[in-house]
Amino acid sequence: GESVGLHLPTLSVQEGDNSIINCAYSNSASDYFIWYKQESGKGPQFIIDIRSNMDKRQGQRVTVLLNKTVKHLSLQIAATQPGDSAVYFCAEMGDSSYKLIFGSGTRLLVRP
Amino acid sequence: DAGITQSPRHKVTETGTPVTLRCHQTENHRYMYWYRQDPGHGLRLIHYSYGVKDTDKGEVSDGYSVSRSKTEDFLLTLESATSSQTSVYFCAIGTSGRTGTDTQYFGPGTRLTVL
Repeated sequence: GESVGLHLPTLSVQEGDNSIINCAYSNSASDYFIWYKQESGKGPQFIIDIRSNMDKRQGQRVTVLLNKTVKHLSLQIAATQPGDSAVYFCAEMGDSSYKLIFGSGTRLLVRP
Repeated sequence: DAGITQSPRHKVTETGTPVTLRCHQTENHRYMYWYRQDPGHGLRLIHYSYGVKDTDKGEVSDGYSVSRSKTEDFLLTLESATSSQTSVYFCAIGTSGRTGTDTQYFGPGTRLTVL
């Protein structure tokens, strides 16, 4: 499949453990944030989003935390499974733009 | 892939030739986007459309043009392909893109190689 990044930071976790993937965003005016998952050879897949008026949002096995003070976003995956192995991207949308700005991604490897 | 198809899925072409990539959606979404993805650069916006015949540039629009004559189709054209345009191209769709209550959904991608 396609290589989405030659030198991506990599997080290696044991199957069943929790994973935390971090992202620093650039624009203090950004008010909408999304996490995507991208498997090899596929397009990015929406996981979860959060607006700037929230600091936490939960989905199925995933939680997104937003710290606007330090411009930091994190994705927590509970009970990580082999199928969670992928590259994860955060994306931000500014207050005057229809455009998403993507981070460079983190590769998650799940050890059986 | 949220009712999004891209064609072709793979293409090899030569420098200087024109290339058109097609994105087709069945979701009736207003917004459509073209991105390219390269190692070390992540996903970068090329052009986007906010309605039929309404388009605007993204951060890496040089060398690309787009057209949208109907809601469901968004075409990306490389007028004269260069080796620097070798990349994986993704189309995305969204309903508003601005309310914060929506997101963008991506197609499967087109791998383009310019020799």
